[in-house]
Amino acid sequence: QVQLEQSGGEVKKPGSSVKVSCKASEGTFNNYGISWVRQARGQGLEWVGSILPLFDITNYAQRFKGRVTFTADKSTTTVFMEVNSLRSDDTAIYYCATDGIMDYWGRGTLVTVSS
Amino acid sequence: DIVMTQSPDSLAVSLGERATISCRSSQSVLNTSDNRNYLAWYRQKPRQPPTLLIYWASTREFGVSDRISGSGSGTDFTLIISSLQAADVAVYYCQQYHMTPWTFGQGTKVEIK
Repeated sequence: QVQLEQSGGEVKKPGSSVKVSCKASEGTFNNYGISWVRQARGQGLEWVGSILPLFDITNYAQRFKGRVTFTADKSTTTVFMEVNSLRSDDTAIYYCATDGIMDYWGRGTLVTVSS
Repeated sequence: DIVMTQSPDSLAVSLGERATISCRSSQSVLNTSDNRNYLAWYRQKPRQPPTLLIYWASTREFGVSDRISGSGSGTDFTLIISSLQAADVAVYYCQQYHMTPWTFGQGTKVEIK
């Protein structure tokens, strides 16, 4: 069964970093890529990038390259998204989802960036 | 990047009537090697993550009502809800997974008239 469990909400200052986790079931971790998608309040869906966790292969949307890093911990079947140099417009719900055809989604992690 | 454009941005439909949403891509999402359109549709209800409705442009996800159907090829796609029910009130998104970056339409809000 595919499950994606995300970490809880975060409040961060501008310029700081945040690391969000997405724990996958073992089958999901070994067989699926994981995408990260964000959604600002009242706005649409924006793909941040993806990771193939078994091989640590990452793919970032151009606008996030250099500021976002995806990693995977095979021992806990968890993938992580770290966002650096946070700005107020990074305030959003961040979802992890199965890559490509997004048939499974986490419940989302609200990241609030505020001074 | 492939730009996805939905129309309309919102629509109000009477219960039991048909709702039609269009999605156009800036370039074809048809993969000629497998003859599949790399196009999905999602529904998002308030305070919930999106849920997959349709993939390969017309394949209904397991458990999705047969009132919901997808069609189209190349750059023009349509999602139809054949008989609108209260549970269908949501925002609907199309998404291409033909080439990265994966991109979504801006969303179409469906309400009851």
